[in-house]
Amino acid sequence: QKEVEQNSGPLSVPEGAIASLNCTYSDRGSQSFFWYRQYSGKSPELIMFIYSNGDKEDGRFTAQLNKASQYVSLLIRDSQPSDSATYLCAVSYQGAQKLVFGQGTRLTINP
Amino acid sequence: GAGVSQTPSNKVTEKGKYVELRCDPISGHTALYWYRQSLGQGPEFLIYFQGTGAADDSGLPNDRFFAVRPEGSVSTLKIQRTERGDSAVYLCATSSGGVADTQYFGPGTRLTVL
Repeated sequence: QKEVEQNSGPLSVPEGAIASLNCTYSDRGSQSFFWYRQYSGKSPELIMFIYSNGDKEDGRFTAQLNKASQYVSLLIRDSQPSDSATYLCAVSYQGAQKLVFGQGTRLTINP
Repeated sequence: GAGVSQTPSNKVTEKGKYVELRCDPISGHTALYWYRQSLGQGPEFLIYFQGTGAADDSGLPNDRFFAVRPEGSVSTLKIQRTERGDSAVYLCATSSGGVADTQYFGPGTRLTVL
């Protein structure tokens, strides 16, 4: 069974610091990797996607992918209270369109 | 509107009843997905449509669950003989249909089975 694992948290980070969110996946056939943010009572909202090994930066967000270690992470620089949410890691596999999600990490940014 | 819409936003029903949940995709999006999210968990895949046909229904938990998309746009998720364990938020997502294409989620329908 294809699995995506995240630490459920909660992860507490002071405002202005770097928040680091981690995700591991079980299937080496994994093709694409997505980070979604979900505020309480709302639906998931795409933050970033990454397909290739290495880093991908978008504003305050950086996604990092290491396929050899089957590991993907999301860094949030200059964390703001508005970043407090649950962050979902999702993986799609070669030949499949569906996303397999981790259980999400709850992040709290403390002013 | 520009986004995915889902109706109703909330549905309360009694055990054993039949329910229908509706999803209106982003205009032009050919791929449509249904997921189910329980409290404290990530979304769990149910079924994927490419156009009118169900391309992958491997996530449907049992034969009480069925989904249609007759004209390749609006989709309806149908649940027969509801059980308390069916209580969850049902999320619809759509994409333009490319490989590993970005999926955009609707606001969800919160289903409560009493």
